[in-house]
Amino acid sequence: QVQLLQSGAELKKPGASVRVSCTASGYTFTSSGISWVRQAPGQGLEWMGWISGDTGETKYAQNFQGRVAMTTDTSTSTAYMELRSLRSDDTAMYYCGRDYETFDYWGQGTLVTVSS
Amino acid sequence: QAVLTQPSSLSASPGASASLTCTLRSGINVGTYRIYWYQQKPGSPPQYLLRYKSDSDNHQGSGVPSRFSGSKDASANAGILLISGLQSEDEADYYCMIWHSSAWVFGGGTKLTVL
Repeated sequence: QVQLLQSGAELKKPGASVRVSCTASGYTFTSSGISWVRQAPGQGLEWMGWISGDTGETKYAQNFQGRVAMTTDTSTSTAYMELRSLRSDDTAMYYCGRDYETFDYWGQGTLVTVSS
Repeated sequence: QAVLTQPSSLSASPGASASLTCTLRSGINVGTYRIYWYQQKPGSPPQYLLRYKSDSDNHQGSGVPSRFSGSKDASANAGILLISGLQSEDEADYYCMIWHSSAWVFGGGTKLTVL
């Protein structure tokens, strides 16, 4: 069965960077992409960007351009999302989702807290 | 004005039907978009429900009951998620999504209360 397993919760100070991982299993990693979606406490869903599991091509949402970097390691079927220059309003749950035309499988989420 | 607008909340009784709307911003024609619907329960990631563009272009998520269905109201420029035979377990947040201007865009979500 398809599973996406994300790394654990993070506590970061303003201005720092965070890297979240998403390890896929149960399907061929290179056959689809991974999207990252975040959700601030009590708020809705916000798409951050997408990376191809095959070519590593990326597409970032305008709100995150210049501050986010998505990469993959096909040898371990893992996708990474790095967000830089963290602010308090980056405090959120970060999800990865298999992007196979739609987000049909999701990781369990990684809570990133930004606080001094 | 947001690309996708959803009512913030909706209440309905068990056994009844609920119609959740997702209105596209003026100038964005609902007829040209596939609209995706997700359900999210507290403490869990979203779950894909279905995709609807037309009666000939639609997709039901794996294991999603047929009482969840999609449609459109062209006159209102809106996508609709219809849930029939409401059950207590349907109480959740529901989000619509489209691919617009080379980005995935979510609506703000509707909190459905079944009481």
